[in-house]
Amino acid sequence: AQKITQTQPGMFVQEKEAVTLDCTYDTSDPSYGLFWYKQPSSGEMIFLIYQGSYDQQNATEGRYSLNFQKARKSANLVISASQLGDSAMYFCAMRESSSGGYQKVTFGTGTKLQVIP
Amino acid sequence: DTAVSQTPKYLVTQMGNDKSIKCEQNLGHDTMYWYKQDSKKFLKIMFSYNNKELIINETVPNRFSPKSPDKAHLNLHINSLELGDSAVYFCASSQVPGDREAETQYFGPGTRLLVL
Repeated sequence: AQKITQTQPGMFVQEKEAVTLDCTYDTSDPSYGLFWYKQPSSGEMIFLIYQGSYDQQNATEGRYSLNFQKARKSANLVISASQLGDSAMYFCAMRESSSGGYQKVTFGTGTKLQVIP
Repeated sequence: DTAVSQTPKYLVTQMGNDKSIKCEQNLGHDTMYWYKQDSKKFLKIMFSYNNKELIINETVPNRFSPKSPDKAHLNLHINSLELGDSAVYFCASSQVPGDREAETQYFGPGTRLLVL
């Protein structure tokens, strides 16, 4: 079974509009973390936002917010007021314990977001 | 001021050659990782080192051998390169594993390997 599922291979959004990128996860670890990374066409991986499984409030970082619904095992990324520079691949990732007690991060397949002027 | 750096950025080589990719982090992190990103953009962990000790070793051919001379460096050596090794290889680092606090991984710029 997929640990991290991103069902939207590609998305379009009008500049200045908000957009939601979907992410669902699967884990039996009671303590885990969820991340979103951005990969622009230049190739680097840029950390955007983190949500801990015990965090009571949804994480926010500037125009990025994470809509965390624990019971539904979803961690959607919301980008408000989209900008042309937001066009990129977006990866959802999850940190959980691996065998041996160490933390392991698994990435989803990514969503390619294109912002239209 | 680069946090995680990798060299080289681009690597073009012939099949059968041996090559190395170097990674250094100046964040004071204890854990470093190597990931492979294939042509479909799928990112998969290969190895993880904590304080120079191997802690995660995913199903990777023996031709790939990581080496960590100290906790700030994690190099990747690849023997007998094959066409299927063509990919982008990312190095990353984070704080001590096993800590259930936020453990954000910071990535290097990637090394684009093309095997001809």
